[in-house]
Amino acid sequence: QSVLTQPPSASGTPGQRVTISCSGSTSNIGNNPVNWYQQLPGTAPRLLIYTNNQRPSGVPDRFSGSKSGTSASLAISGLQSEDEADYYCAAWDGSLKGYVFGTGTKVTVL
Amino acid sequence: EVQLVESGGGLVQPGGSLRLSCAASGFTFSNYWMTWVRQAPGKGLEWVANIKEDGSEKYYVDSVKGRFTISRDNAKNSLYLQMNSLRGEDTAVYYCVRAVGSSSAYWGQGTLVTVSS
Repeated sequence: QSVLTQPPSASGTPGQRVTISCSGSTSNIGNNPVNWYQQLPGTAPRLLIYTNNQRPSGVPDRFSGSKSGTSASLAISGLQSEDEADYYCAAWDGSLKGYVFGTGTKVTVL
Repeated sequence: EVQLVESGGGLVQPGGSLRLSCAASGFTFSNYWMTWVRQAPGKGLEWVANIKEDGSEKYYVDSVKGRFTISRDNAKNSLYLQMNSLRGEDTAVYYCVRAVGSSSAYWGQGTLVTVSS
């Protein structure tokens, strides 16, 4: 039940800035913190951003998150080849009583 | 070092059952909500079920309600997912996740479940 909408793909050349949007509703993003996860090819997802805009230790400061109303976004500045991955937003949904993930965005470095 | 190691996946016929296990180490297991998340081949992530630290609260995605049961044994640092009446659409990699919506979120490497005749 992907109730969070993301663009299917995004791309950029090395060094560019890429932004990924995540659109939800008041029952999820509007009233709950957003996490972002990165999934490199063939691996398990890992936490990239928590509570809308916080980076766990070890995550480069090239990654940043923001939230406004019922939408959130992830920005990757200074894009690098190792950033090629799938990115998912996620939040608790109070109406569904469940954790919902975004549809996922595949980032390609040209 | 935090570790979550899933096991129990495999090939099962439609209508069959499987029990997934997740062995946790490197942290105080009883202090965290635990979650199962799945990913069908070539598809996105789907939350399956959550269980509170003491097992007193459990939540499920609608598509598995009445068929799957999440449980935990804090004495054994283990999380489980009993899956009954399996369907083709349950085919996926199943991930064990610590505190999925928090700053402490940590994912295991996953175990593949294939439902096919």
